[in-house]
Amino acid sequence: DTAVSQTPKYLVTQMGNDKSIKCEQNLGHDTMYWYKQDSKKFLKIMFSYNNKELIINETVPNRFSPKSPDKAHLNLHINSLELGDSAVYFCASSPPTGIYTFGSGTRLTVV
Amino acid sequence: GIQVEQSPPDLILQEGANSTLRCNFSDSVNNLQWFHQNPWGQLINLFYIPSGTKQNGRLSATTVATERYSLLYISSSQTTDSGVYFCAVGHNFNKFYFGSGTKLNVKP
Repeated sequence: DTAVSQTPKYLVTQMGNDKSIKCEQNLGHDTMYWYKQDSKKFLKIMFSYNNKELIINETVPNRFSPKSPDKAHLNLHINSLELGDSAVYFCASSPPTGIYTFGSGTRLTVV
Repeated sequence: GIQVEQSPPDLILQEGANSTLRCNFSDSVNNLQWFHQNPWGQLINLFYIPSGTKQNGRLSATTVATERYSLLYISSSQTTDSGVYFCAVGHNFNKFYFGSGTKLNVKP
């Protein structure tokens, strides 16, 4: 049973499209995150949710909208995709100790 | 934000060799973790180590919080150790700042 699962694993889409990435965790953690890894492997936080409430929004364009229907799910919806959005997006979760468990990543390619 | 510098950026080892990876950070932190990103892209938590020393098999880590650095030791390296090692720090668990990583290549 995968602890943090993301779908899809790969996503290729055209500029201007809208797409969603889903994330689910079965670890019972209260906090979930979205991180973006760029082509140089640099990881940066995008959003942090605690018990369905947004607690960190790291100056991400408002084309990115996270949604947490319950504390086990954190989805990422992206509107009007741009070439610069191409990256690997990682979902993660943690207990209050902050020990992260990452999903396997979603490689988004915008053409 | 917190600046995180990792060194060296690249490291090539012969199987069986030992190595030390370093992470310097610019502010006091309450949370520090080391991660390994394998060649398939999976990020695995190695250590949660805001201070002190921990060991897990051939890996160990030491954080000297007062001097704002952490070290990751890899002994008797194996080809499966290849990948990128990231240090991540934060004031709390809600937001981590990642270093740019050390890319390790262990040759048989």
